[in-house]
Parts: sequence; C-alpha cells; structure tokens
Amino acid sequence: EPEVTQTPSHQVTQMGQEVILRCVPISNHLYFYWYRQILGQKVEFLVSFYNNEISEKSEIFDDQFSVERPDGSNFTLKIRSTKLEDSAMYFCASSETRLPNGYTFGSGTRLTVV
Amino acid sequence: AQTVTQSQPEMSVQEAETVTLSCTYDTSESDYYLFWYKQPPSRQMILVIRQEAYKQQNATENRFSVNFQKAAKSFSLKISDSQLGDAAMYFCAYRSGGNRDDKIIFGKGTRLHILP
Repeated sequence: EPEVTQTPSHQVTQMGQEVILRCVPISNHLYFYWYRQILGQKVEFLVSFYNNEISEKSEIFDDQFSVERPDGSNFTLKIRSTKLEDSAMYFCASSETRLPNGYTFGSGTRLTVV
Repeated sequence: AQTVTQSQPEMSVQEAETVTLSCTYDTSESDYYLFWYKQPPSRQMILVIRQEAYKQQNATENRFSVNFQKAAKSFSLKISDSQLGDAAMYFCAYRSGGNRDDKIIFGKGTRLHILP
C-alpha cells in the first residue's frame, strides 16, 4: 500500500536554528498538509498546499514557517528560527482529491528543540 | 468555529469485549465529514472509519462501526471483539464539506487499553 514517507524520524536542534522537515507524499496525490502534535495534546492543522501554493493556513503557521515542493516529489516544512515551543511531532499528509476520503498520514518527525 | 470534544481521556476494555468511544462536535454547517483516526505507539495516524453527514446510514468497517446522531451532534465509535492490536490513541475528527476549508479538526483523543 502506498505510503507517505517522512524524514528524519527524530531531529534534535538548537534553539534559534533553522530546521527542514521532509516528506514524500504518495505519487499521484495533489493535496498536501502539515499537522503538528505537541506531546500529550491534540493534533493541530498547520497548512495545506495545492498547485504549488498555500491554500489554507492556521494561526500557528506564522512567518517562521514556510512550505515548499521543490522538485515535484518532496514536500518540506521549514522552521526558520526554532523555539522551545516548536518541539512536537510533525505529521505530513497527502490526499488525491479534496474529497475527504481521509488523508494518508506519514509516521511523523519528532522535533526536539533544546 | 467547529469544535470536537472527546470526554473520555482513557478507557479500558477486556479482550474480545465491545467498547464504545464517545465524541461530540459543534458546527453550524450542514455538509461535513467525520472521522475516527487511530494512533498506535508507532505514532502514525491511521484512518479507521469515515462518515458523511448527508448519509443517514452508520458507517461500518469490519469490527468498527459508528453511531452517528446528527441532531445530537454525536459520533461514537464502537469496537467489537476488541483485540490487543486495537490498543491505541483514538481521535475523533471533523472536516467541513465546503470547498474553502481544507483542514481536519481533531479532538483531544481517547487512549484505549486492551486488557488480556
């Protein structure tokens, strides 16, 4: 069964450093998403991306965050200057259409900011 | 704004028994979708079951079924013949059916323990 692949599975970074989280969505999917889950809390929407542009973003997704689909296969989330409160599990997801059959989520990247 | 509430932070069930996880939601929309996602210790989010609001018939997927009460804005998940592999965090989730809204809104989750 096709999978959404996220790398790395765990990343530790110094506060203030830039970090890039990588995702390879399912190949025929057109809609891409990032969610995050702070430990012990609920999963929160960050951003959705379609046709090479952001289609929706939450208030969490401020100027420190950006997304990119640089080469037609990868979908990246960049955090420019990480803060301690950015420590969370970050999930990438993709879907073939906007019809909500439910996204396919990746296994997540655990980001730890120290 | 839409909200999803799961009032049971944790539940336990004996293996082979049936358990029901509760979920309520709040929305002013008439067109929407509801989901249950499972998050095992591996942390991956796995879609368990989906319900379209316009369908009166409750969705079922093998041992998993829902009780969708649209007027009461309730969407509970029933797991029959519970298995050890069902142990996980379960999230109830909502998505607007409109064309403007992409995001899925999750509840806080219910951690389900399966007792052997």
